Amino acid sequence: AQTVTQSQPEMSVQEAETVTLSCTYDTSESNYYLFWYKQPPSRQMILVIRQEAYKQQNATENRFSVNFQKAAKSFSLKISDSQLGDTAMYFCAFMKHQTGANNLFFGTGTRLTVIP
Amino acid sequence: GAGVSQSPSNKVTEKGKDVELRCDPISGHTALYWYRQSLGQGLEFLIYFQGNSAPDKSGLPSDRFSAERTGGSVSTLTIQRTQQEDSAVYLCASSLGGGGVYEQYFGPGTRLTVT
Repeated sequence: AQTVTQSQPEMSVQEAETVTLSCTYDTSESNYYLFWYKQPPSRQMILVIRQEAYKQQNATENRFSVNFQKAAKSFSLKISDSQLGDTAMYFCAFMKHQTGANNLFFGTGTRLTVIP
Repeated sequence: GAGVSQSPSNKVTEKGKDVELRCDPISGHTALYWYRQSLGQGLEFLIYFQGNSAPDKSGLPSDRFSAERTGGSVSTLTIQRTQQEDSAVYLCASSLGGGGVYEQYFGPGTRLTVT
Protein backbone atom coordinates (compact mmCIF):
# COMPACT_ATOMS: atom_id res chain seq x y z
CA ALA A 1 0.00 0.00 0.00
CA GLN A 2 1.02 3.54 -0.64
CA THR A 3 1.27 6.01 2.24
CA VAL A 4 2.00 9.71 2.16
CA THR A 5 3.14 11.54 5.27
CA GLN A 6 3.12 15.27 5.91
CA SER A 7 4.61 15.86 9.33
CA GLN A 8 3.90 19.59 9.55
CA PRO A 9 0.21 20.21 10.31
CA GLU A 10 0.68 23.98 10.31
CA MET A 11 3.29 26.43 9.11
CA SER A 12 3.56 30.16 8.72
CA VAL A 13 5.82 32.41 6.71
CA GLN A 14 6.30 36.14 6.35
CA GLU A 15 5.22 37.63 3.06
CA ALA A 16 8.05 37.65 0.48
CA GLU A 17 9.99 34.99 2.43
CA THR A 18 10.64 31.39 1.43
CA VAL A 19 9.04 28.34 3.03
CA THR A 20 9.51 24.61 2.55
CA LEU A 21 6.81 22.03 3.14
CA SER A 22 7.86 18.44 3.80
CA CYS A 23 6.46 15.21 2.42
CA THR A 24 7.62 11.62 2.59
CA TYR A 25 6.01 8.60 1.02
CA ASP A 26 6.30 4.86 1.08
CA THR A 27 5.90 2.65 -1.95
CA SER A 28 7.34 -0.44 -3.58
CA GLU A 29 6.65 0.98 -7.04
CA SER A 30 9.59 2.04 -9.17
CA ASN A 31 7.69 4.41 -11.40
CA TYR A 32 5.07 6.86 -10.18
CA TYR A 33 4.00 10.48 -10.03
CA LEU A 34 4.10 12.92 -7.15
CA PHE A 35 2.00 16.05 -6.81
CA TRP A 36 1.45 19.06 -4.62
CA TYR A 37 -2.10 20.39 -4.48
CA LYS A 38 -3.31 23.62 -2.94
CA GLN A 39 -6.73 23.85 -1.30
CA PRO A 40 -7.86 27.40 -0.47
CA PRO A 41 -10.95 28.07 1.69
CA SER A 42 -13.08 27.66 -1.43
CA ARG A 43 -12.32 23.90 -1.07
CA GLN A 44 -11.34 23.53 -4.73
CA MET A 45 -8.13 21.52 -5.08
CA ILE A 46 -5.67 23.16 -7.45
CA LEU A 47 -2.62 21.39 -8.88
CA VAL A 48 0.55 23.29 -7.96
CA ILE A 49 3.28 21.09 -9.35
CA ARG A 50 3.88 17.54 -10.62
CA GLN A 51 6.98 15.35 -10.66
CA GLU A 52 7.51 12.12 -12.60
CA ALA A 53 9.64 9.69 -10.62
CA TYR A 54 11.77 8.67 -13.60
CA LYS A 55 12.89 12.27 -14.09
CA GLN A 56 15.84 13.25 -11.95
CA GLN A 57 15.42 16.95 -12.59
CA ASN A 58 13.32 18.71 -9.97
CA ALA A 59 10.12 20.27 -11.30
CA THR A 60 9.61 24.03 -11.06
CA GLU A 61 6.60 26.23 -11.70
CA ASN A 62 7.33 29.91 -11.26
CA ARG A 63 7.71 30.49 -7.51
CA PHE A 64 7.13 26.82 -6.70
CA SER A 65 9.80 24.15 -6.86
CA VAL A 66 10.32 20.70 -5.45
CA ASN A 67 13.22 18.79 -3.97
CA PHE A 68 12.68 15.20 -5.07
CA GLN A 69 14.88 12.64 -3.36
CA LYS A 70 13.83 9.26 -4.75
CA ALA A 71 16.11 7.12 -2.60
CA ALA A 72 14.93 8.86 0.54
CA LYS A 73 11.31 8.90 -0.72
CA SER A 74 11.10 12.58 0.01
CA PHE A 75 9.26 15.25 -1.97
CA SER A 76 9.35 18.72 -0.44
CA LEU A 77 7.77 21.89 -1.84
CA LYS A 78 9.55 25.21 -1.73
CA ILE A 79 7.56 28.39 -2.14
CA SER A 80 9.67 31.45 -2.87
CA ASP A 81 8.59 35.07 -2.46
CA SER A 82 5.49 33.98 -0.52
CA GLN A 83 2.30 35.90 -1.27
CA LEU A 84 -0.86 36.36 0.74
CA GLY A 85 -2.71 34.32 -1.86
CA ASP A 86 -0.54 31.32 -1.03
CA THR A 87 -2.42 30.94 2.27
CA ALA A 88 -4.11 27.54 1.97
CA MET A 89 -3.93 23.86 2.82
CA TYR A 90 -1.24 22.06 0.85
CA PHE A 91 -1.51 18.37 0.12
CA CYS A 92 1.19 16.07 -1.13
CA ALA A 93 -0.11 13.21 -3.27
CA PHE A 94 1.16 10.04 -4.94
CA MET A 95 -0.07 8.18 -8.00
CA LYS A 96 1.06 4.87 -9.40
CA HIS A 97 2.20 4.75 -13.02
CA GLN A 98 -0.21 2.18 -14.40
CA THR A 99 -3.18 1.70 -16.65
CA GLY A 100 -6.61 1.56 -15.15
CA ALA A 101 -7.56 3.42 -12.03
CA ASN A 102 -5.05 6.08 -11.22
CA ASN A 103 -6.39 7.51 -8.07
CA LEU A 104 -4.33 9.82 -5.93
CA PHE A 105 -3.10 8.91 -2.45
CA PHE A 106 -3.01 12.02 -0.29
CA GLY A 107 -1.20 13.09 2.85
CA THR A 108 -3.08 14.81 5.65
CA GLY A 109 -2.02 18.28 4.57
CA THR A 110 -0.11 21.29 5.86
CA ARG A 111 -1.96 24.49 6.63
CA LEU A 112 0.19 27.38 5.43
CA THR A 113 -0.44 30.93 6.57
CA VAL A 114 1.34 33.83 4.92
CA ILE A 115 1.69 36.72 7.33
CA PRO A 116 1.61 40.27 5.95
CA GLY B 1 -14.98 26.44 -20.52
CA ALA B 2 -16.72 25.46 -17.32
CA GLY B 3 -14.88 23.49 -14.70
CA VAL B 4 -16.11 20.57 -12.65
CA SER B 5 -19.31 21.42 -10.83
CA GLN B 6 -20.91 19.69 -7.88
CA SER B 7 -24.28 19.98 -6.24
CA PRO B 8 -25.46 20.65 -3.66
CA SER B 9 -22.71 22.74 -2.15
CA ASN B 10 -23.84 21.81 1.33
CA LYS B 11 -26.20 19.09 2.53
CA VAL B 12 -27.50 18.48 6.03
CA THR B 13 -29.36 15.24 6.58
CA GLU B 14 -30.65 13.18 9.44
CA LYS B 15 -29.03 9.92 10.36
CA GLY B 16 -30.61 7.06 8.46
CA LYS B 17 -31.70 9.09 5.44
CA ASP B 18 -30.38 8.55 1.91
CA VAL B 19 -28.52 11.30 0.06
CA GLU B 20 -27.46 11.85 -3.54
CA LEU B 21 -24.50 13.98 -4.53
CA ARG B 22 -24.04 15.09 -8.11
CA CYS B 23 -20.92 15.77 -10.18
CA ASP B 24 -20.76 17.37 -13.62
CA PRO B 25 -17.30 16.77 -15.08
CA ILE B 26 -15.56 18.89 -17.68
CA SER B 27 -16.96 18.16 -21.12
CA GLY B 28 -14.87 15.58 -22.96
CA HIS B 29 -13.21 14.19 -19.84
CA THR B 30 -13.48 10.41 -19.85
CA ALA B 31 -12.14 9.77 -16.36
CA LEU B 32 -14.06 10.69 -13.22
CA TYR B 33 -13.06 10.19 -9.58
CA TRP B 34 -14.85 10.58 -6.26
CA TYR B 35 -12.88 11.34 -3.10
CA ARG B 36 -13.90 11.91 0.51
CA GLN B 37 -12.22 14.43 2.78
CA SER B 38 -12.96 13.96 6.45
CA LEU B 39 -12.14 16.67 8.98
CA GLY B 40 -8.39 16.97 9.45
CA GLN B 41 -7.66 14.25 6.93
CA GLY B 42 -6.38 14.08 3.41
CA LEU B 43 -8.54 12.94 0.57
CA GLU B 44 -9.56 9.30 0.44
CA PHE B 45 -10.30 7.65 -2.91
CA LEU B 46 -13.81 6.23 -3.28
CA ILE B 47 -14.53 5.24 -6.90
CA TYR B 48 -13.22 5.72 -10.45
CA PHE B 49 -15.00 5.72 -13.81
CA GLN B 50 -13.17 5.53 -17.14
CA GLY B 51 -15.18 5.69 -20.33
CA ASN B 52 -17.44 2.66 -20.72
CA SER B 53 -15.31 0.40 -18.56
CA ALA B 54 -16.60 -1.11 -15.33
CA PRO B 55 -15.93 1.30 -12.47
CA ASP B 56 -13.22 0.69 -9.90
CA LYS B 57 -15.14 0.57 -6.63
CA SER B 58 -12.23 -0.51 -4.47
CA GLY B 59 -12.34 2.61 -2.30
CA LEU B 60 -16.00 2.51 -1.30
CA PRO B 61 -16.07 2.12 2.51
CA SER B 62 -19.27 0.07 2.73
CA ASP B 63 -22.17 -1.26 0.67
CA ARG B 64 -24.18 1.79 1.70
CA PHE B 65 -22.13 3.74 -0.84
CA SER B 66 -22.76 3.47 -4.57
CA ALA B 67 -22.17 5.58 -7.63
CA GLU B 68 -23.17 5.68 -11.22
CA ARG B 69 -22.17 7.63 -14.26
CA THR B 70 -24.80 8.12 -16.92
CA GLY B 71 -23.89 8.58 -20.57
CA GLY B 72 -20.24 8.88 -19.69
CA SER B 73 -20.85 12.31 -18.20
CA VAL B 74 -22.75 13.20 -15.03
CA SER B 75 -22.08 11.09 -11.96
CA THR B 76 -24.15 10.57 -8.83
CA LEU B 77 -22.80 9.30 -5.53
CA THR B 78 -25.49 7.80 -3.32
CA ILE B 79 -25.15 7.13 0.38
CA GLN B 80 -27.91 5.04 1.90
CA ARG B 81 -28.87 5.02 5.57
CA THR B 82 -26.39 7.78 6.36
CA GLN B 83 -24.34 7.59 9.54
CA GLN B 84 -22.59 10.38 11.45
CA GLU B 85 -19.21 9.11 10.33
CA ASP B 86 -20.26 9.84 6.74
CA SER B 87 -20.00 13.57 7.52
CA ALA B 88 -17.26 14.90 5.24
CA VAL B 89 -16.59 16.89 2.10
CA TYR B 90 -17.10 14.80 -1.02
CA LEU B 91 -14.94 15.91 -3.93
CA CYS B 92 -15.25 14.94 -7.55
CA ALA B 93 -12.47 15.20 -10.12
CA SER B 94 -12.28 14.59 -13.84
CA SER B 95 -9.44 14.20 -16.31
CA LEU B 96 -8.97 13.66 -20.03
CA GLY B 97 -7.90 10.11 -19.37
CA GLY B 98 -6.60 7.81 -16.69
CA GLY B 99 -3.00 8.15 -15.60
CA GLY B 100 -0.68 10.70 -14.10
CA VAL B 101 -0.01 12.44 -17.40
CA TYR B 102 -3.54 13.79 -17.20
CA GLU B 103 -4.24 16.48 -14.62
CA GLN B 104 -7.20 15.83 -12.36
CA TYR B 105 -9.47 18.86 -12.14
CA PHE B 106 -11.45 19.06 -8.93
CA GLY B 107 -14.86 20.44 -8.20
CA PRO B 108 -15.64 22.56 -5.13
CA GLY B 109 -17.07 19.61 -3.26
CA THR B 110 -20.24 18.90 -1.33
CA ARG B 111 -20.07 19.27 2.43
CA LEU B 112 -22.28 16.58 3.95
CA THR B 113 -23.34 16.86 7.57
CA VAL B 114 -25.23 13.99 9.15
CA THR B 115 -27.05 14.94 12.35
